[in-house]
Amino acid sequence: AQTVTQSQPEMSVQEAETVTLSCTYDTSESDYYLFWYKQPPSRQMILVIRQEAYKQQNATENRFSVNFQKAAKSFSLKISDSQLGDAAMYFCAYRRTRSNDMRFGAGTRLTVKP
Amino acid sequence: DAMVIQNPRYQVTQFGKPVTLSCSQTLNHNVMYWYQQKSSQAPKLLFHYYDKDFNNEADTPDNFQSRRPNTSFCFLDIRSPGLGDAAMYLCATSIQTVSSYNEQFFGPGTRLTVL
Repeated sequence: AQTVTQSQPEMSVQEAETVTLSCTYDTSESDYYLFWYKQPPSRQMILVIRQEAYKQQNATENRFSVNFQKAAKSFSLKISDSQLGDAAMYFCAYRRTRSNDMRFGAGTRLTVKP
Repeated sequence: DAMVIQNPRYQVTQFGKPVTLSCSQTLNHNVMYWYQQKSSQAPKLLFHYYDKDFNNEADTPDNFQSRRPNTSFCFLDIRSPGLGDAAMYLCATSIQTVSSYNEQFFGPGTRLTVL
C-alpha cells in the first residue's frame, strides 16, 4: 500500500522569507503523480503544484517549487517570498498513474508571521 | 464560475438519526468523490463514482452510502451516525478519460456534528 508521510505537523515562517515543507512517500510503482494541496482555514482545498514521476525536472508554479527526489521518495515544497495568504494546512498527496485513488499525508500547518 | 458546491456547510444530527450530505458541480466532471476528514488528519477517501460506476473503498463502513442521480449531483448518506462519524466531509470532482486521470477539484466541505 502506498503511504505518504509529512513529518512536520506545524511550521512557521516570517513574511517574505522562504520555507520548505517535507514529504516522503512509499510506493513500489514507477509511474505516479505527486501533489501539494493547500487548505486555508474554513476554505476549500486547492491544488498548489503537481509533479509527474517520469519527469526529472522539478515543477514550479510562481513562488512555489518542489524538490522531487525519486530515488529517495522525497517530495518537498518550497515557498519563496512567503505571504500572509500562504497560511494554511498543506497536504502532500500521491496518486498512481491511471487511478483515481489519491492518498494524502497528515498535513503541515503553516503559519506566516508578519 | 465553475465550481463544486456542498450543502449544507454545517450539519448537526443526532446519534443514530440518518443524515444526507449534498454535493453538486458545474464543472461537468465525470468523477465525483467523497472524503472524510477528521480533525487534524488527512482526508480519507470513502468512495467515488466514475460516471455511474460506484467504487467503494474496502475499509469504508457499511453505514456510509452514496447516490449519484445524474452527472451534477452526488449524495452521501450516513444511515446511523455515531459519535465517531463527526468530521468534515469533502466532495471532489475530476475528469477521467481513456488516456488521462486528472486533478481533483474540491468543494468547501460539510462539517458534521453528531450529538
